[in-house]
Amino acid sequence: QSALTQPPSASGSPGQSVTISCTGTSSDVGGYNFVSWYQQHPGKAPKLMIYEVNKRPSGVPDRFSGSKSGNTASLTVSGLQAEDEADYYCSSYAGYNDFGVFGTGTEVTVL
Amino acid sequence: EVQLLDSGGGLVQPGGSLRLSCSASGFTFSSHAMSWVRQAPGKGLEWVSGIDGPGATTYYADSVKGRFTISRDNSKDTVYLQMNRLRAEDTAIYYCAKKQWRVPSTLDYWGLGTLVIVSS
Repeated sequence: QSALTQPPSASGSPGQSVTISCTGTSSDVGGYNFVSWYQQHPGKAPKLMIYEVNKRPSGVPDRFSGSKSGNTASLTVSGLQAEDEADYYCSSYAGYNDFGVFGTGTEVTVL
Repeated sequence: EVQLLDSGGGLVQPGGSLRLSCSASGFTFSSHAMSWVRQAPGKGLEWVSGIDGPGATTYYADSVKGRFTISRDNSKDTVYLQMNRLRAEDTAIYYCAKKQWRVPSTLDYWGLGTLVIVSS
């Protein structure tokens, strides 16, 4: 199973918005509403930020939102803050096991 | 509070073996599938292996199939990853993660990770 495709980097100034794409196929992203997003700060473990395309776990700020169109999912971070600078990974169910496939990762820089 | 404490990493020679452990607390362990995810130095996340709640069904990435074995002891709230015939490309931080109940491909809690270095 191939990794989902994400842009290597994205950036924005404090207060602005940044959107990260996650492109798969009709066998994963496009076929199911089970896309999740993880935030990872340097040297730290990943943290779940979005699941089932657009749901936020308790404690995740509503500045983080998710969407999907066709085979591409997106994560938008609104009102960028310095603490949002991190790597972000998408993941999608792909139908062949219960654990899915990860994206290639995007490094978000707050300018 | 959910906690996952992964351990067992270290330096091992190519061809050698290592067993990772992940001790869980704060949730009904036997009800949740568990997974191992790794991250090579400077690289992205790679799903490695998963196991269902009862321990009856296991899953592996092609890159480790036939060399790694995932198991769990629900009486000890612990999941394991037995790694045999290790290669240099297995060098990574290995994270234990809990799968969200009834939500495919969603890992809602992660351990801090344990570093495995395969080198002579």
